[in-house]
Amino acid sequence: AQSVSQHNHHVILSEAASLELGCNYSYGGTVNLFWYVQYPGQHLQLLLKYFSGDPLVKGIKGFEAEFIKSKFSFNLRKPSVQWSDTAEYFCAVNALSNTGKLIFGQGTTLQVKP
Amino acid sequence: DADVTQTPRNRITKTGKRIMLECSQTKGHDRMYWYRQDPGLGLRLIYYSFDVKDINKGEISDGYSVSRQAQAKFSLSLESAIPNQTALYFCATSNSYQPQHFGDGTRLSIL
Repeated sequence: AQSVSQHNHHVILSEAASLELGCNYSYGGTVNLFWYVQYPGQHLQLLLKYFSGDPLVKGIKGFEAEFIKSKFSFNLRKPSVQWSDTAEYFCAVNALSNTGKLIFGQGTTLQVKP
Repeated sequence: DADVTQTPRNRITKTGKRIMLECSQTKGHDRMYWYRQDPGLGLRLIYYSFDVKDINKGEISDGYSVSRQAQAKFSLSLESAIPNQTALYFCATSNSYQPQHFGDGTRLSIL
C-alpha cells in the first residue's frame, strides 16, 4: 500500500535556526507532492507543491522543498525559522494513478522558541 | 466568506446518536473529500466524491456514510456515533489533481 512517512514527529528549535523536515513516500510511479501547514486552531494551508520540472520548489513564507526521485523524498527546509512558524506540518502525496487521492504523512509538530 | 465552510464547528454528543457534518464550497470544484485527523496519525481519508453521482470509500469508511447533495455540498454522517470517532473532521475540495483546499474543521466529541 502507498504510504507517506515523516521522520520527525516533534521538533523544537530556537528562532533563527535552520529547519529540515523529512518526508519519504512509497510509490514508484509519477506523483504530485505537497507540504501543508496547520497553525494552531486553524485549517490546513498549502505551503508548496511539486508537479514537475525543477525539483527545488519554493513556497510561501520562505519555505522550500526538494524532490529527490531516487530517494522517494520531498524534504521541507527553511534557512531561518521564526516563532510564527510554530505549527504542524504535513507532507502529502498524490499518486497520479490513484484517482487523485491524497495520502498524508503523520505530521510533524514544530515548536519554535523565541 | 470562507471558500469551504463546515458546520458545525464543534459538536459534543452521546454514544449511539446520529450525527451529520455538513460541508459547502463556493470554489466550483468538482471533487470533495472528508478526512479525520487524529494526533500522531495525520489525516485519513473517509470518503471522496468526484462529482454528484460518484461516491467512493476512503481508507476508513466503516461507521460513516456520505451524501453529495449538489456539486457544492457534501455531508458526512455517523449513523450511530461511538467514542473512537471523536476526532477533528475536515472537508476539502479540489479540481482534478490540483491542491486541495480545506475547511476550518469540525471538532467532534462523542461521550
